[in-house]
Amino acid sequence: AQTVTQSQPEMSVQEAETVTLSCTYDTSESDYYLFWYKQPPSRQMILVIRQEAYKQQNATENRFSVNFQKAAKSFSLKISDSQLGDAAMYFCAHQGTTSGTYKYIFGTGTRLKVLA
Amino acid sequence: NAGVMQNPRHLVRRRGQEARLRCSPMKGHSHVYWYRQLPEEGLKFMVYLQKENIIDESGMPKERFSAEFPKEGPSILRIQQVVRGDSAAYFCASSATGASLEQYFGPGTRLTVT
Repeated sequence: AQTVTQSQPEMSVQEAETVTLSCTYDTSESDYYLFWYKQPPSRQMILVIRQEAYKQQNATENRFSVNFQKAAKSFSLKISDSQLGDAAMYFCAHQGTTSGTYKYIFGTGTRLKVLA
Repeated sequence: NAGVMQNPRHLVRRRGQEARLRCSPMKGHSHVYWYRQLPEEGLKFMVYLQKENIIDESGMPKERFSAEFPKEGPSILRIQQVVRGDSAAYFCASSATGASLEQYFGPGTRLTVT
């Protein structure tokens, strides 16, 4: 079975500073994707960044980047130049592609507070 | 291009009533997923459907819950005889194919059982 663990229930960062959110996972799938989603108070799930497990290069999207350590099964999210609009819940997710179901397994989330 | 639509956005039911949640996937998408988010928790997978077929229902409670995705019309998640523990946000997501990189999420239906 696949599991996703986010060990930081809450994090705070000063505006314009950098913060890293942690995520570890366990999987029996030979191929998979990893995602970070943002959930603001509106509850809408917004894709932040995705990583294909077979790609060694870490994904980046503007101020968001990941540190993907496949052997350690670690997938952390780095937010640079934090903005007030980054404040939200952040969820890490795993999607296996070899079992035929493609469901997402989510972590329990990290609440990010951005301090002005 | 309209995104994934869910209705109603908020639903209040008394204990023992039935709740019907609807999800219209993005145009061209034939794969639908339902997830449940209990208060202060992450989303948990419930069921994966393709048109007229249930592919994976391993996350569905064995009783009172059912889902369908007919050939025509939206996907329906039905909860019979609701209890207070069913109060949660229910999210639908759709994808064009099962192996798509990304599932597109709807805004969710918040169910409150009184």
